[in-house]
Amino acid sequence: DAKTTQPTSMDCAEGRAANLPCNHSTISGNEYVYWYRQIHSQGPQYIIHGLKNNETNEMASLIITEDRKSSTLILPHATLRDTAVYYCIVRATGANSKLTFGKGITLSVRP
Amino acid sequence: DGGITQSPKYLFRKEGQNVTLSCEQNLNHDAMYWYRQDPGQGLRLIYYSQIVNDFQKGDIAEGYSVSREKKESFPLTVTSAQKNPTAFYLCASSLWSANEKLFFGSGTQLSVL
Repeated sequence: DAKTTQPTSMDCAEGRAANLPCNHSTISGNEYVYWYRQIHSQGPQYIIHGLKNNETNEMASLIITEDRKSSTLILPHATLRDTAVYYCIVRATGANSKLTFGKGITLSVRP
Repeated sequence: DGGITQSPKYLFRKEGQNVTLSCEQNLNHDAMYWYRQDPGQGLRLIYYSQIVNDFQKGDIAEGYSVSREKKESFPLTVTSAQKNPTAFYLCASSLWSANEKLFFGSGTQLSVL
């Protein structure tokens, strides 16, 4: 699986947009970009995923660069409940593909 | 309610003892996974199973064993061979295809007495 690089931590003010970057320079053409988040002492929660095009759902938006070497997860209006560790993952396609989680980025939303 | 259930939430192991962590799902998912998480670290894959009666080792399978006798159940045994078992254990499930999302349980915290 290709690896990802994320900053260790970042913070943002409540109500503002949180932009979480991720580098995946060795991503191959059939690998998807996934984002999950984990609130302390709970299981991770799926947020969004994409291949080439930008994606949006009720939780967030995912912006993938044209060369696919990096992406940004956007939480449009961060709340205190969005404080969590966010994992950016790339997943190979195929019968034995599996998700490999790195350390993620800790997002702290301040009042 | 559909979901994935792990039990117990907290578990203690004595020296030389095997313990089994339970994971049950009623989502009709094909694939199930076990991850281990140490404090401040990401998740590491222990074992995964795509279908009943079949499973594969993940990145840190030594000292662990699993079984998949039923589609909805994927118990993990932490054996006495696992010398550093204290960790947060997470079970997950998904439909088996290239881009299906994982659903996680709420985890089991295992500690050594």
